[in-house]
Amino acid sequence: GQQLNQSPQSMFIQEGEDVSMNCTSSSIFNTWLWYKQEPGEGPVLLIALYKAGELTSNGRLTAQFGITRKDSFLNISASIPSDVGIYFCAGQLREYGNKLVFGAGTILRVKS
Amino acid sequence: ETGVTQTPRHLVMGMTNKKSLKCEQHLGHNAMYWYKQSAKKPLELMFVYSLEERVENNSVPSRFSPECPNSSHLFLHLHTLQPEDSALYLCASSQDRGGLTDTQYFGPGTRLTVL
Repeated sequence: GQQLNQSPQSMFIQEGEDVSMNCTSSSIFNTWLWYKQEPGEGPVLLIALYKAGELTSNGRLTAQFGITRKDSFLNISASIPSDVGIYFCAGQLREYGNKLVFGAGTILRVKS
Repeated sequence: ETGVTQTPRHLVMGMTNKKSLKCEQHLGHNAMYWYKQSAKKPLELMFVYSLEERVENNSVPSRFSPECPNSSHLFLHLHTLQPEDSALYLCASSQDRGGLTDTQYFGPGTRLTVL
């Protein structure tokens, strides 16, 4: 079945640093999504991407839908302590019944 | 607050117990989902309901039994679970599972521990 490889697995960065994480797959997707999960909560949608090459921002977050439709990245600029959490990528494919396929997550810790 | 609530938030049960997880969505959505989240693994889709009809069952063992009495409520009935079933169980809802722009909203999850 479809699989997403998300990296890095975890990051421990200094407050104010920029962060970059990505997801790759051997399969193509029609939609890429980025979610954030904080302790004790469910995932919350950050950014949704619907077209190959699309670059979308949400505040300090920027995500891109790769041209090949097989990858996506998420950047966080000038990190702050509340950015702590687990970030998940998810892909959606029409031929797969529009089900979401999730990456294993990137754990982000911020040192203030 | 995403509009999706789950109870209980934490559950500890023995392997011979029977318990149920409850999910309620206040968003007027038509589709509801159960996911299993284990540490360091991707979220695993378990069941999908659309307009109260089960449309997806992802090879889930029969010791997990879903129920969707109406479009706002979803249950997951548990019996004779195994310790490896310990995980965070997440409920989600979306307007309609048919669209690629159909955003799923997640509840906070139930942390299940099977002893």
